[in-house]
Amino acid sequence: EIVLTQSPDTLSLSPGERATLSCRASQSVSSDYLAWYQQKPGQVPRVLIYGASNRAPGIPDRFSGSGSGTDFILTISRLDPEDFAVYYCQQSGSSVTFGGGTKVEIK
Amino acid sequence: VELLQSGAEVKKPGASVKVSCKASGYTFGGFHMNWVRQAPGQGLEWMGIINPNAGAAKYAQQFQGRVSMTRDTSAQTFYLELSGLRSDDTAVYFCARDLRGSGWYYLDHWGQGTLVTVSS
Repeated sequence: EIVLTQSPDTLSLSPGERATLSCRASQSVSSDYLAWYQQKPGQVPRVLIYGASNRAPGIPDRFSGSGSGTDFILTISRLDPEDFAVYYCQQSGSSVTFGGGTKVEIK
Repeated sequence: VELLQSGAEVKKPGASVKVSCKASGYTFGGFHMNWVRQAPGQGLEWMGIINPNAGAAKYAQQFQGRVSMTRDTSAQTFYLELSGLRSDDTAVYFCARDLRGSGWYYLDHWGQGTLVTVSS
């Protein structure tokens, strides 16, 4: 099973700042199989990024994804108040697994 | 696309629960369906995936032996059954459509979630 480790656990930032979230895989994952999700309290997750770097329909361009192999990054260029949430990476290359999540909170 | 799940359940330890997910707004056989759960205050945990055409399912290792995923093509509904319930099975259970049949690999639509509470 591929284990995804996200860091940091919590990111404390102010609106307008840049957020950089990391997702490290225990073994290499094809970029095609790496996605990022956002989940707000009481809501279902929604996909932000698929194929490591493709924005899902309707997702603002302040969200971007990058990386390959075992290291992937989700970047939020300028935090909007609505972006404070929990973010998960997910891989579908070998079975399916989720990372443990990174909470982006208001500083 | 809409995935409508059944309502909340309260079960005793050792019992079984069956959650349904009715799909509409797309071709039922065109997309696999995942089941994902989330314990209170915790992250997302993948449970397994089912092919709607063959009915074949693949389960996460930690659930092997006590989980069953099925579908009823005439009712356009997917089912998750979990047996031998324990208190740590208390969670919200989601169905989530998988786009792997289209060449992309992510979950694009999610059900609203079903809270299963296991308590004596």
